[in-house]
Amino acid sequence: AQRVTQPEKLLSVFKGAPVELKCNYSYSGSPELFWYVQYSRQRLQLLLRHISRESIKGFTADLNKGETSFHLKKPFAQEEDSAMYYCALPFSGGYNKLIFGAGTRLAVHP
Amino acid sequence: NAGVTQTPKFQVLKTGQSMTLQCAQDMNHNSMYWYRQDPGMGLRLIYYSASEGTTDKGEVPNGYNVSRLNKREFSLRLESAAPSQTSVYFCASGLQGADNSPLHFGNGTRLTVT
Repeated sequence: AQRVTQPEKLLSVFKGAPVELKCNYSYSGSPELFWYVQYSRQRLQLLLRHISRESIKGFTADLNKGETSFHLKKPFAQEEDSAMYYCALPFSGGYNKLIFGAGTRLAVHP
Repeated sequence: NAGVTQTPKFQVLKTGQSMTLQCAQDMNHNSMYWYRQDPGMGLRLIYYSASEGTTDKGEVPNGYNVSRLNKREFSLRLESAAPSQTSVYFCASGLQGADNSPLHFGNGTRLTVT
């Protein structure tokens, strides 16, 4: 069955430190993976998707099929990165119907 | 262009009461979704509608019903609320069938059942 695991509930770092939010998945086939972010008092929004191979707000994520991981990384964290981050992949049958991980709260301290 | 609009923002119910959460989108999306968000569990799909006129169960449909009223609107109904349904509910919409089309979320409805 499809599953998304985010092992850390909270990740606390200081400004300027590197950040890695972990995401592991189980999926039969080639998955499309996403990172969504929810800033305080804002709606959940797409941060990036692996197929685009883009860097958004300094964040990147590489799909590692061997380790079934899609970790989110940023070399130098900023205070405005503090938010709730969710990793997601589609249910079988369509890109839009997503399974979300439990989420990781990133707290960046000055 | 308001995106996805949910009403109400907050609601308190007593056990056994019923209510309907409303959701509307103005992006001409064909698919719409209801998720609930609980601490430590992330977002779980309750019901979805791939297109106008169709609805299907998600991961946690028990205790809920939905109506896809038209292309724009997708409502979630709790017929007899239970404390276990205390949660934050999110509506989302997307363009089903379009590669890499992201989901667009509403601001959420915080529901407390006492």
